[in-house]
Amino acid sequence: DTAVSQTPKYLVTQMGNDKSIKCEQNLGHDTMYWYKQDSKKFLKIMFSYNNKELIINETVPNRFSPKSPDKAHLNLHINSLELGDSAVYFCASNPSDLARETQYFGPGTRLLVL
Amino acid sequence: AQSVTQLDSHVSVSEGTPVLLRCNYSSSYSPSLFWYVQHPNKGLQLLLKYTSAATLVKGINGFEAEFKKSETSFHLTKPSAHMSDAAEYFCVVSENQFYFGTGTSLTVIP
Repeated sequence: DTAVSQTPKYLVTQMGNDKSIKCEQNLGHDTMYWYKQDSKKFLKIMFSYNNKELIINETVPNRFSPKSPDKAHLNLHINSLELGDSAVYFCASNPSDLARETQYFGPGTRLLVL
Repeated sequence: AQSVTQLDSHVSVSEGTPVLLRCNYSSSYSPSLFWYVQHPNKGLQLLLKYTSAATLVKGINGFEAEFKKSETSFHLTKPSAHMSDAAEYFCVVSENQFYFGTGTSLTVIP
């Protein structure tokens, strides 16, 4: 009965590779997010999708591309991985596009680029 | 513009003593404010939230926070720390999106 799930939990890969992280929520929420947490634990929003449409696209490199096949899923594809992409990536969701509402977070995907 | 300042990057308390984690915010309007907790190698869990109702907000695990508009503060407190409270705590201000503070690492000494 996991609310927000992410796969994989850990991802170790070589520089230059392409990888994807998947996120699914079974809460019936309309909006989903991707956040990046750096080594100092600072969290910053990357993307937000509402009903499969991008509504926030912070200044992240073009190598990062979110894809939402339906409103329960928001995947993150990363091309040409770089050392600086090493971080923990969190998926989150909330019921609507109102950011005042509680966001529910997944367990995180720990990405290490070698 | 919104911003969040967590005044202490690390806080250490003895088990059974009070916890105070400080948070100040800036916001153009009346924001929603949240505290989240992150245990080691885990995701973020909501502790409590303020959305313009009562200024004293009670959360899970005995935590509470008081919204003080005049001081633009939303400090998190707990009367008696437990070993299981050791974690990273994030204060969040939200208007059009979530803005996270830099986090406070809480250590509980047996």
